Amino acid sequence: DAKTTQPPSMDCAEGRAANLPCNHSTISGNEYVYWYRQIHSQGPQYIIHGLKNNETNEMASLIITEDRKSSTLILPHATLRDTAVYYCIVRVNTDKLIFGTGTRLQVFP
Amino acid sequence: DAGVIQSPRHEVTEMGQEVTLRCKPISGHNSLFWYRQTMMRGLELLIYFNNNVPIDDSGMPEDRFSAKMPNASFSTLKIQPSEPRDSAVYFCASSFGLVETQYFGPGTRLLVL
Repeated sequence: DAKTTQPPSMDCAEGRAANLPCNHSTISGNEYVYWYRQIHSQGPQYIIHGLKNNETNEMASLIITEDRKSSTLILPHATLRDTAVYYCIVRVNTDKLIFGTGTRLQVFP
Repeated sequence: DAGVIQSPRHEVTEMGQEVTLRCKPISGHNSLFWYRQTMMRGLELLIYFNNNVPIDDSGMPEDRFSAKMPNASFSTLKIQPSEPRDSAVYFCASSFGLVETQYFGPGTRLLVL
């Protein structure tokens, strides 16, 4: 079972920041938060992951609350190519990736 | 790097036929995963290998499904006999170790008539 809750869909204007929330209130101390996305008709693509601290890479930033019960994926300047389904996954590093239903992000011009 | 390669990209077959899906992982990766995606069930993990050895096949739906990894650069997922409910997109992913980031292939779209 997926251990996360995400809104089914969100919209974002091109060029603006897209902030995708994820609730994981039952997360345990050794579970990481992973984000993948799936652009239509393609395989899922890794975005970022973190344990406690906020993380940033060339694609996005991940903000994890201090109690670790929720997190936000930030795409700082969304483009039309960022339209996709975004999956938030919590897992122990040695465990399987279990994909939920994700958030369908629509970026509009 | 060519990424994970899957073949065929599309497969249409008739019920009862054998179907073989193929995957070439990224060179140097030692973990390989097979997933299935449908509208009803979403993305499901079927089986995964580490160093060519199957580690967990609990996601394989039934005995009609089998997977092999004869060497580090090739894996197959076989369905025999195929049924219409097997219609789905099948993804292969690989990683450098079970705990590392998984990289997905483009998928094989299977339609069983």
